[in-house]
Amino acid sequence: AQTVTQSQPEMSVQEAETVTLSCTYDTSESDYYLFWYKQPPSRQMILVIRQEAYKQQNATENRFSVNFQKAAKSFSLKISDSQLGDAAMYFCAYRSNFGNEKLTFGTGTRLTIIP
Amino acid sequence: EAQVTQNPRYLITVTGKKLTVTCSQNMNHEYMSWYRQDPGLGLRQIYYSMNVEVTDKGDVPEGYKVSRKEKRNFPLILESPSPNQTSLYFCASLGQWDYEQFFGPGTRLTVL
Repeated sequence: AQTVTQSQPEMSVQEAETVTLSCTYDTSESDYYLFWYKQPPSRQMILVIRQEAYKQQNATENRFSVNFQKAAKSFSLKISDSQLGDAAMYFCAYRSNFGNEKLTFGTGTRLTIIP
Repeated sequence: EAQVTQNPRYLITVTGKKLTVTCSQNMNHEYMSWYRQDPGLGLRQIYYSMNVEVTDKGDVPEGYKVSRKEKRNFPLILESPSPNQTSLYFCASLGQWDYEQFFGPGTRLTVL
């Protein structure tokens, strides 16, 4: 079974600075997707960024980028120019490309932005 | 507007009183799923459905039932709720060729 580990329960960053959230995963599969979801106080689950395992290039979405290290099974999220609206719980998630489309989530990292 | 809706958004009930949380999507998605979110545990899958009349257990199915009689609806049924089912519940859907699972707004359930 796949597992996803987020070892930082809480992180904080000064507004306008850069922060990196860590995620590692364990799988024996070679074809899968990785995601970062944001959950603000409204509780809505918002997709931030995704990475296909077959792609070597790291995904980027505006101020959000990932560092995908397939061999190390590491998938960190970098947030540049942090803004107050980035304050949220962030979840790393794994999805196999076979069978059940289940998302396997990490336990989350609560990000606080310091004005 | 493409969306997944859940009702109710908040529910307080008592042990043993049967309840249903509804989930509906308007995107003609084949795949639907239920997750529960608990502090320190992230989200865990309860049940999923690959299409109409096709459902299967996820990681934490005990105490729950589902049905998929129509493509757009995927209700979660708690026949005899217990306090350990107090949680935040999310419904999600996914199109056959999509990457992104669309989540509903969540249902906060408290079982006393």
